[in-house]
Amino acid sequence: ELKVEQNPLFLSMQEGKNYTIYCNYSTTSDRLYWYRQDPGKSLESLFVLLSNGAVKQEGRLMASLDTKARLSTLHITAAVHDLSATYFCAVDMSYPGNQFYFGTGTSLTVIP
Amino acid sequence: DAGVIQSPRHEVTEMGQEVTLRCKPISGHDYLFWYRQTMMRGLELLIYFNNNVPIDDSGMPEDRFSAKMPNASFSTLKIQPSEPRDSAVYFCASLKNYGYTFGSGTRLTVV
Repeated sequence: ELKVEQNPLFLSMQEGKNYTIYCNYSTTSDRLYWYRQDPGKSLESLFVLLSNGAVKQEGRLMASLDTKARLSTLHITAAVHDLSATYFCAVDMSYPGNQFYFGTGTSLTVIP
Repeated sequence: DAGVIQSPRHEVTEMGQEVTLRCKPISGHDYLFWYRQTMMRGLELLIYFNNNVPIDDSGMPEDRFSAKMPNASFSTLKIQPSEPRDSAVYFCASLKNYGYTFGSGTRLTVV
């Protein structure tokens, strides 16, 4: 069974600092997704990474994918309070169907 | 595009009652997924459909849970009878090519 592990599970960081969230998965996949969830809200798609070496950036967030290492990272640059949320990675196992396996989530709190 | 629409947003019911959750996927999306989210277990896939056909229901916790997709624009998740441990947020998501689009979820509380 595919396992998707995120670390850290909880992250408290000061505004203006940089940090990286890691997503490791246990089997081959070329497609990885990052989602954001605010408290009491649904999951919002952030990034879709579809090949080895893919890098996507949006504002202060940058995601990358290394399929050989089975690792994706979500890098936060100069954090601001609005980034406080839970971040999930999800791996796409297209066989036998389009089923995503979600990581445990990383709860990020940005403090002033 | 209105996105994935779920109803109700909140449901409070007594133990033993039947609960029906509803989902309207995005038009043209041929996959539909039902997830359950709790603090203890995170996001759990319950069942998913492709072109209205159930593909994998191995995540459905018990026979008390059932799901249907009678047409491309509507799906239901039913719990009968409901139990307090079913309390969770239930999400529906649809997929066409890459990436899920999630609905707003239904927060179910069984007392």
